[in-house]
Amino acid sequence: DQQVKQNSPSLSVQEGRISILNCDYTNSMFDYFLWYKKYPAEGPTFLISISSIKDKNEDGRFTVFLNKSAKHLSLHIVPSQPGDSAVYFCAASGGTSYDKVIFGPGTSLSVIP
Amino acid sequence: SAVISQKPSRDICQRGTSLTIQCQVDSQVTMMFWYRQQPGQSLTLIATANQGSEATYESGFVIDKFPISRPNLTFSTLTVSNMSPEDSSIYLCSVVGLAGGRTDTQYFGPGTRLTVL
Repeated sequence: DQQVKQNSPSLSVQEGRISILNCDYTNSMFDYFLWYKKYPAEGPTFLISISSIKDKNEDGRFTVFLNKSAKHLSLHIVPSQPGDSAVYFCAASGGTSYDKVIFGPGTSLSVIP
Repeated sequence: SAVISQKPSRDICQRGTSLTIQCQVDSQVTMMFWYRQQPGQSLTLIATANQGSEATYESGFVIDKFPISRPNLTFSTLTVSNMSPEDSSIYLCSVVGLAGGRTDTQYFGPGTRLTVL
């Protein structure tokens, strides 16, 4: 049973446009959510996170939106740059770093120059 | 900022052999974890490496197959024992409590790409 879902395996976006990556979760006990970016041959890099007490968190070009009632979160990248091309993993946990983090299957983003 | 390194970065091994992967952090960390990423799949937690005691394994993973050590707060090893081609994966360590990082976030090493023939 996949608790964290990313239904789009891949996404292509023109440079300068907005990239929207979606994530759904099933476990209502999750209250902390993270996005990681992964380049080939490298480990995942932490990008941005959001606690369930918030519905939005912004960091530069990256914004994460959380809709708890829908058990849905999304990552917006504006404007998209070619260097953003990577696999993006959505992850969720029970609230602290000591809780098990469950990762989604990832979405491969390609930003086309 | 602190650095997480893994050795080896990649290896090709024969069926039935064992490989030990090292994870070294250049500062003390609170927690260390080992993950596996099989081809085309997401990251799956293998175990939590506990300093000075036995690791805590997730369902589907056992100590005999994946012995883990964590002798101090900066170092851990994962051994993949009696390997088969199904063990071909990227193995990643992650840490919590990294100097200069967020206290509520796991940070990952670069990974070890293992191919078993």
